[in-house]
Amino acid sequence: KNQVEQSPQSLIILEGKNCTLQCNYTVSPFSNLRWYKQDTGRGPVSLTIMTFSENTKSNGRYTATLDADTKQSSLHITASQLSDSASYICVVSEGYNKLIFGAGTRLAVHP
Amino acid sequence: GAVVSQHPSRVICKSGTSVKIECRSLDFQATTMFWYRQFPKQSLMLMATSNEGSKATYEQGVEKDKFLINHASLTLSTLTVTSAHPEDSSFYICSARDKGLAGGSSYNEQFFGPGTRLTVL
Repeated sequence: KNQVEQSPQSLIILEGKNCTLQCNYTVSPFSNLRWYKQDTGRGPVSLTIMTFSENTKSNGRYTATLDADTKQSSLHITASQLSDSASYICVVSEGYNKLIFGAGTRLAVHP
Repeated sequence: GAVVSQHPSRVICKSGTSVKIECRSLDFQATTMFWYRQFPKQSLMLMATSNEGSKATYEQGVEKDKFLINHASLTLSTLTVTSAHPEDSSFYICSARDKGLAGGSSYNEQFFGPGTRLTVL
């Protein structure tokens, strides 16, 4: 069964600190992996998208890594800000059409 | 670019009534649009995939007669929740795939709308 699992489920950090979110997946056929940020009551916004051949991709203070051999990905957030408080969702594209969503990690950044 | 809007953003209705939610791609043409439902503290669940000019494809367990989807143009898809009940209360999100990218992009890029909060009393 195609699955995307994320950890931790929730995380609290202090403003200015770094954090890393994890994503493990068992999806076949694999097309690409993406990380989204979803603010409460809003739709997901894309942070990074990586194909099989891409190991790392950055978007400002967000850096995603992908290990296609172990089927693991991580999202590293540097120098966190209060506005980073949101849910971060790992999504794997199964083939061309279907997206498999992880349950998300709820991040709270406290002052 | 690649903006998707939804209307309304919030709607409250009485049980038994029907509610229509619009999803528009504002600056691109979308041959395919997707409708998702999200319950509190859960991730998005795909309800159906709609292609412009053809019938929608529904995921297993989603009643097509209850959730009517119309994708009449390359920039507009609508979801109508018919005879709504309290258990239909949820956050409904649409996404759209850019026609211009569909053939050449390896990313299967989908752009998400801001969502519609439906509350059925």
